[in-house]
Amino acid sequence: LAKTTQPISMDSYEGQEVNITCSHNNIATNDYITWYQQFPSQGPRFIIQGYKTKVTNEVASLFIPADRKSSTLSLPRVSLSDTAVYYCLVVPLMDSSYKLIFGSGTRLLVRP
Amino acid sequence: EAQVTQNPRYLITVTGKKLTVTCSQNMNHEYMSWYRQDPGLGLRQIYYSMNVEVTDKGDVPEGYKVSRKEKRNFPLILESPSPNQTSLYFCASSALGEQYFGPGTRLTVT
Repeated sequence: LAKTTQPISMDSYEGQEVNITCSHNNIATNDYITWYQQFPSQGPRFIIQGYKTKVTNEVASLFIPADRKSSTLSLPRVSLSDTAVYYCLVVPLMDSSYKLIFGSGTRLLVRP
Repeated sequence: EAQVTQNPRYLITVTGKKLTVTCSQNMNHEYMSWYRQDPGLGLRQIYYSMNVEVTDKGDVPEGYKVSRKEKRNFPLILESPSPNQTSLYFCASSALGEQYFGPGTRLTVT
């Protein structure tokens, strides 16, 4: 499974766009990029998943360049409730149902 | 409502007293997993199951047992708990791709 590197922490203010970049230099051809969000003392929650280019849902966008060695999670107009830890995971799609390896994540703090 | 439930949510026990943490999902998912989360170590997978009667070790299986006799249930068993198993435990289930996590069980072993 590909190792990921992401910033330990980030600060932002309400209403701003937040971009969290994840590096995954050893990503394999059949790997997908998945992001989870976790609030204190709660289980992680799936945010978004993608393979290449751009994926958007009602919560976030995921940008993946052509070489797929990195990806960026974009949270538009964050609010205080977006304060959480965000995990970037790289995993074969068939394994992503049961074999996730979580790194340290990025602790996002949104200030008023 | 689609959900993963765990019981109990909080448990304080003593070393060596066998305990079971239950996990149940109502989404008819084939895959289920158990994780533990510790400060500074993140989430680590204990066991996972790909279907009924099919289980396999994750990254930290020592001291734990699981069973999958029914599709919806995946209990975690600690035969002889020790203080180093004090942790926050999460159960998860999935069909393909997205994992759904339970609310967590905070276990303290004294």
